[in-house]
Amino acid sequence: AQSVAQPEDQVNVAEGNPLTVKCTYSVSGNPYLFWYVQYPNRGLQFLLKYITGDNLVKGSYGFEAEFNKSQTSFHLKKPSALVSDSALYFCAVRFYGGSQGNLIFGKGTKLSVKP
Amino acid sequence: NAGVTQTPKFRVLKTGQSMTLLCAQDMNHEYMYWYRQDPGMGLRLIHYSVGEGTTAKGEVPDGYNVSRLKKQNFLLGLESAAPSQTSVYFCASSYVARYNEQFFGPGTRLTVL
Repeated sequence: AQSVAQPEDQVNVAEGNPLTVKCTYSVSGNPYLFWYVQYPNRGLQFLLKYITGDNLVKGSYGFEAEFNKSQTSFHLKKPSALVSDSALYFCAVRFYGGSQGNLIFGKGTKLSVKP
Repeated sequence: NAGVTQTPKFRVLKTGQSMTLLCAQDMNHEYMYWYRQDPGMGLRLIHYSVGEGTTAKGEVPDGYNVSRLKKQNFLLGLESAAPSQTSVYFCASSYVARYNEQFFGPGTRLTVL
């Protein structure tokens, strides 16, 4: 079955330290991978995506993610965390096969950045 | 551009009542989606549409109906609300290709008593 997992419910980081939010996926083919961020009482905002090509993808607000095909992972990273990065982060995957509607979301990881 | 808008923002229903949630987008997107978000469960797709006049079932379609009479609007209906439908509902839209990201509305918080 196709799925995406975010193994950590919450990640705590001190401001200025690097952060990583993990995402792994299970797929029978090649994936398109996305990261979204959700601030309290708001809708999801797109951060970045991997389609093909360079495994390191850069996105909004200084975030980047690395696609690792052998480990089926797409971890979100930022070199220096800000308090304003505190939010809920969702990894999502869509597969080459299947219906257009099948964007599968992870359960989300709450990122807390402390001053 | 307003992007994706949703009305209403909040609603409280009694069990058995009906309501319609409206989603509108001004980006000329072909595809539109309805999701529900529940704590610890991420987002789950209810129904989606790949164009005006077309709709399809997602992961959790039971108890919901949808219509896409105009390209820019996507309506989600609850004919007989149940407490299990208490959730936050998000509408999204996107361009055609699978690699395009979806744009989300601000959400509707629905409580069914």
